[in-house]
Amino acid sequence: RKEVEQDPGPFNVPEGATVAFNCTYSNSASQSFFWYRQDCRKEPKLLMSVYSSGNEDGRFTAQLNRASQYISLLIRDSKLSDSATYLCVVRGQAGTALIFGKGTTLSVSS
Amino acid sequence: DVKVTQSSRYLVKRTGEKVFLECVQDMDHENMFWYRQDPGLGLRLIYFSYDVKMKEKGDIPEGYSVSREKKERFSLILESASTNQTSMYLCASIRGQNQPQHFGDGTRLSIL
Repeated sequence: RKEVEQDPGPFNVPEGATVAFNCTYSNSASQSFFWYRQDCRKEPKLLMSVYSSGNEDGRFTAQLNRASQYISLLIRDSKLSDSATYLCVVRGQAGTALIFGKGTTLSVSS
Repeated sequence: DVKVTQSSRYLVKRTGEKVFLECVQDMDHENMFWYRQDPGLGLRLIYFSYDVKMKEKGDIPEGYSVSREKKERFSLILESASTNQTSMYLCASIRGQNQPQHFGDGTRLSIL
């Protein structure tokens, strides 16, 4: 089983749609979780950290289910500018490097 | 704001050359990382460093080495470049163990 798995997509949605991405991780000892966004031919940039209680940042909501080893990202009211690849990222035990999923591609059209 | 600077955005080298990719961060971060990113394979960790003169192998260290002589600088070295090392190389740094990483702009390296 891969350490971090994501549905690669692409997800093609119209503006205003709500879209959800899922991610599973294999190491139950993982401590930190993040969603990164990567635009075409650019470096990954942190979108948001993911906390056990769930957290929201504007139109973006992240959820973590430690029992199921599952992370999600919900984007409401999609904008054209949301088109990008979204990377699910997990850190193992403290001190280890981040492990990146291969990313889910989102394309929002007008 | 954190600034991670990679020395080149685009680089073209020949097979067999020794290639140096430089990365500098200005936020006194202890931890620095080198990744490569390839279509369909995602980001893969090559090497990382938790302190000056310290290095740890990542998932794909073969054909690479690193140098961390100063805290702010982490260099990736291709000892004898090969065509399968054509890739996008990304440097990242963090301060603490549970913080997210900050990436440089990336270097697109082509080995001919």
